[in-house]
Amino acid sequence: DGGITQSPKYLFRKEGQNVTLSCEQNLNHDAMYWYRQDPGQGLRLIYYSQIVNDFQKGDIAEGYSVSREKKESFPLTVTSAQKNPTAFYLCASSILTGARYGYTFGSGTRLTVV
Amino acid sequence: KNEVEQSPQNLTAQEGEFITINCSYSVGISALHWLQQHPGGGIVSLFMLSSGKKKHGRLIATINIQEKHSSLHITASHPRDSAVYICAGARDSNYQLIWGAGTKLIIKP
Repeated sequence: DGGITQSPKYLFRKEGQNVTLSCEQNLNHDAMYWYRQDPGQGLRLIYYSQIVNDFQKGDIAEGYSVSREKKESFPLTVTSAQKNPTAFYLCASSILTGARYGYTFGSGTRLTVV
Repeated sequence: KNEVEQSPQNLTAQEGEFITINCSYSVGISALHWLQQHPGGGIVSLFMLSSGKKKHGRLIATINIQEKHSSLHITASHPRDSAVYICAGARDSNYQLIWGAGTKLIIKP
């Protein structure tokens, strides 16, 4: 079945360490997105990518980095510069970039920095 | 003022009740998405609509463009409907989705 796979589901890291969250899709979608979700708040866009080797900053890109070397993969690195990295991270994809297209979401990664 | 506002924030009901969740949005948003997030965190897209009404099983979504308001209804609610329901508005100016904070729904047996 087609879908988005995020791994791992839970991740613990020490403060000051970089950590990379995986997102893989087999839907042949062009656009991929990373969102952050904090308790009681709406999702916030970190980065998005419309095509391979290209990506754009979202609303809260500071302290994060991404790459899009393959169409099906869009990993997110949470760097030590991110001041409050503990959160729930969701990856999504859509056929094309555009809010009028349906989105498919992964199951998320809960990152805890201790 | 948030561009997308949902109400209520929390809703508890008995099995079988008719459920309504509301979403109001600001100027510059032309389409609404309704999504469902289960306790594990995964999100499922339910509806995307820019006019009228859509129905899927016991779920119905409506949108009133003039009033900038959308509703999600659940008929004959069941405990398995317990989840967080999120509306997200599509900005006219770009591809960005503006997310509501979500409504936590609990259906008691």
